[in-house]
Amino acid sequence: GNSVTQMEGPVTLSEEAFLTINCTYTATGYPSLFWYVQYPGEGLQLLLKATKADDKGSNKGFEATYRKETTSFHLEKGSVQVSDSAVYFCALSNQAGTALIFGKGTTLSVSS
Amino acid sequence: GAGVSQTPSNKVTEKGKYVELRCDPISGHTALYWYRQSLGQGPEFLIYFQGTGAADDSGLPNDRFFAVRPEGSVSTLKIQRTERGDSAVYLCASSLLPGAGETQYFGPGTRLLVL
Repeated sequence: GNSVTQMEGPVTLSEEAFLTINCTYTATGYPSLFWYVQYPGEGLQLLLKATKADDKGSNKGFEATYRKETTSFHLEKGSVQVSDSAVYFCALSNQAGTALIFGKGTTLSVSS
Repeated sequence: GAGVSQTPSNKVTEKGKYVELRCDPISGHTALYWYRQSLGQGPEFLIYFQGTGAADDSGLPNDRFFAVRPEGSVSTLKIQRTERGDSAVYLCASSLLPGAGETQYFGPGTRLLVL
């Protein structure tokens, strides 16, 4: 079945550090891949997505590349800010497009 | 425009009671989804509506859970004979169109506590 595995948190970084949050998936066919973010006290919102292999999604300085050969969609940012502190969820869409399957989430804490 | 709204924001009930959770999707969005998020976990899919019909209800945990979307807009998730294990945040999302690459827009959730 479909599943998403993302690195355990919490991830604690200093401001301007480089961020990587690993995400790998198991899926039938070629799913679309997403990163959602949940800031403290707010709802889930889309950060970026990629719908086919080798696509790169990007937003707010974050990037992730859809790697079919390694079934991965790692999230990266070159220089994190305190305001990036949040919980990050990797997700894939099932083949029918009727549901998102989420990872457990990774908490990022950035200090100044 | 307005995002997805959910009411109530919090609901406390007693074991065995019936509850209804409401979702108001973004205007014009044809697809609507319900998820459940337990503490420290990612959201888990419950049910998907395309228009008025439940096109995929494979995530509903048992027959105590039911959802409707009678006019293709507002949806209600109904839980009968609530159990303490039903305590979670219930999230609603909508998308303009159905499809694997479509962005789902999430509401703020209803936090359900079953005592």
